[in-house]
Amino acid sequence: QVHLQESGPGLVKASETLSLTCTVSGGYFKSYYWSWIRQPAGKGLEWIGRIYTTGSTDYSPSLKSRVTMSVHTSKDQFSLNLSSVTAADTAVYYCAREVGAFDYWGQGIQVTVSS
Amino acid sequence: QSALTQPRSVSGSPGQSVTISCTGTSSDVGTYNSVSWYQHHPGKAPKLVISDVTKRPSGVPDRFSGSKSGNTASLTISGLQPEDEADYYCCSSTGTYTFIFGTGTKVTVL
Repeated sequence: QVHLQESGPGLVKASETLSLTCTVSGGYFKSYYWSWIRQPAGKGLEWIGRIYTTGSTDYSPSLKSRVTMSVHTSKDQFSLNLSSVTAADTAVYYCAREVGAFDYWGQGIQVTVSS
Repeated sequence: QSALTQPRSVSGSPGQSVTISCTGTSSDVGTYNSVSWYQHHPGKAPKLVISDVTKRPSGVPDRFSGSKSGNTASLTISGLQPEDEADYYCCSSTGTYTFIFGTGTKVTVL
């Protein structure tokens, strides 16, 4: 059974960079796409981007200028960096496996941007 | 790239059927069959209930079904159960190797 767990700071200052890591367990890390998805309070889900285990990335056009993703295959981990954050980036952030659909998800991590 | 359009809410009594629509464009839903649906109970991780327009993952009850016509996809829950009360989101791939979610629909079991 594939298990995903998000980790990182729950509080980030405005204008700084949000950094999160997703650790995958249960095997099956290589040869998959891995995505980040977020949900602001009271709003819908938003796809942020994805990374393949070779390091190839695709990002949401609306966030592309601020997003960087990286993969660490030796640790079965992938990461998200979102720069120049504002209050609008306050959300629950999920990592998920993508196989054309998102079949496994982490529990999510609340990230709050403070002024 | 705007979110796919879903009704804000739908409701039904136990045992009834409800259908949720998901309207996109020819750049997403209308062209690609990577349309999926997610059930989201607050505070929990979203759960995949339909992939590739009509495919039901292992363990998902057969009362969940999906379809698509033109730029609109639909999720039908037949024989509504109390545990089906949740938020539901559609999602589509696009022509630029990205994904777009729907606005979300709250399903209430009366």
